[in-house]
Amino acid sequence: DTGVSQDPRHKITKRGQNVTFRCDPISEHNRLYWYRQTLGQGPEFLTYFQNEAQLEKSRLLSDRFSAERPKGSFSTLEIQRTEQGDSAMYLCASSPPKAGGLYNEQFFGPGTRLTVL
Amino acid sequence: DQQVKQNSPSLSVQEGRISILNCDYTNSMFDYFLWYKKYPAEGPTFLISISSIKDKNEDGRFTVFLNKSAKHLSLHIVPSQPGDSAVYFCAASEANAGNMLTFGGGTRLMVKP
Repeated sequence: DTGVSQDPRHKITKRGQNVTFRCDPISEHNRLYWYRQTLGQGPEFLTYFQNEAQLEKSRLLSDRFSAERPKGSFSTLEIQRTEQGDSAMYLCASSPPKAGGLYNEQFFGPGTRLTVL
Repeated sequence: DQQVKQNSPSLSVQEGRISILNCDYTNSMFDYFLWYKKYPAEGPTFLISISSIKDKNEDGRFTVFLNKSAKHLSLHIVPSQPGDSAVYFCAASEANAGNMLTFGGGTRLMVKP
């Protein structure tokens, strides 16, 4: 399977703990995106990378959140001092380089469901 | 400020009939629109897209229509099948914003046999 993979699929943690999620994009996709989805809502953009450069961060991404993509391949999303409001599905997506000025769709992974107790 | 809205939280359709899912947007800078389907415990799956230079795009049973003046798009599924039962999200992006997607709240489609 060469789709986007995310690990872990589920994470339960206590308030105040730190958690880290990993995303492996489709190979040769140079753009990687993180989204958060809460119950009954559509996904909300958090941040994105082009290769290893983090080019955009949403205001939803507070100082407790940090994302990296050190070698332009996999990415990690860390949440420090988790709060109950951080409980959500965290989705990763990747997209290939633009060709001929055309837009490319984003391919999503299965997500990591975080529950903060 | 919700820039992409799906006003119908749910839709029920008989198998074989047409399903029409609607989406409205407010940001006139959006120039690329997508529809995703999502099953429980899975990530969204890309269905079909349309750029703002077109008003229609068709792929098999799925057709997306874009009305730029009304800032409205719709997804038509013909004929609807029970396997189409899922939550459908419309999403929009603009080229100068890194193609990050702004999603609507979703419409749950139920196709009855």
